[in-house]
Amino acid sequence: GAVVSQHPSWVICKSGTSVKIECRSLDFQATTMFWYRQFPKQSLMLMATSNEGSKATYEQGVEKDKFLINHASLTLSTLTVTSAHPEDSSFYICRLKGGLEAHEQYFGPGTRLTVT
Amino acid sequence: AQTVTQSQPEMSVQEAETVTLSCTYDTSESDYYLFWYKQPPSRQMILVIRQEAYKQQNATENRFSVNFQKAAKSFSLKISDSQLGDAAMYFCAYRRGNAGNMLTFGGGTRLMVKP
Repeated sequence: GAVVSQHPSWVICKSGTSVKIECRSLDFQATTMFWYRQFPKQSLMLMATSNEGSKATYEQGVEKDKFLINHASLTLSTLTVTSAHPEDSSFYICRLKGGLEAHEQYFGPGTRLTVT
Repeated sequence: AQTVTQSQPEMSVQEAETVTLSCTYDTSESDYYLFWYKQPPSRQMILVIRQEAYKQQNATENRFSVNFQKAAKSFSLKISDSQLGDAAMYFCAYRRGNAGNMLTFGGGTRLMVKP
């Protein structure tokens, strides 16, 4: 399967600061990338969908000005949590869609964000 | 909108025994895919098995098999000869066909394996 990396794997930041999380595809070009957040013992909640070179589409209830998504290339998408608050502490996971086949869905290893 | 429901928040199985995790879904589509994902403590999502809705034959992958009941909109996962490494969160997921992008997840089932 394809290799997807996320950086950092764990970040602790102070309230009010901004944090950037990177999601990289290491061996294929991802036309579409998705960002999820997962609270402890809960399922994955889709935050937004991004296509390379265009603006991200956000799910209802997700603040686009707070969670900035940039899909700069076919191998890189970034999620920036602006003015982070403790309630933003969560696990953030990216998913890449590599092609038309249903099984071509690749998840990153996730990033744990802790806001103090 | 599609919904996926996992009615068992937690399940427990004895090592070497068999366990079945339940999943039901709701859709008006006829072309779709169903998946089971495993999320171990590392939090990395791992695809366990997938089923194309147009296939009548139940998918199998080694010790993992599904019972796909399309009319009942049921998609259960059977794990045979359970191993300690099977302990994880398991998520059932739905994806619309025709190159659909969205993956809709169920709430998850935590599987514990007792030695």
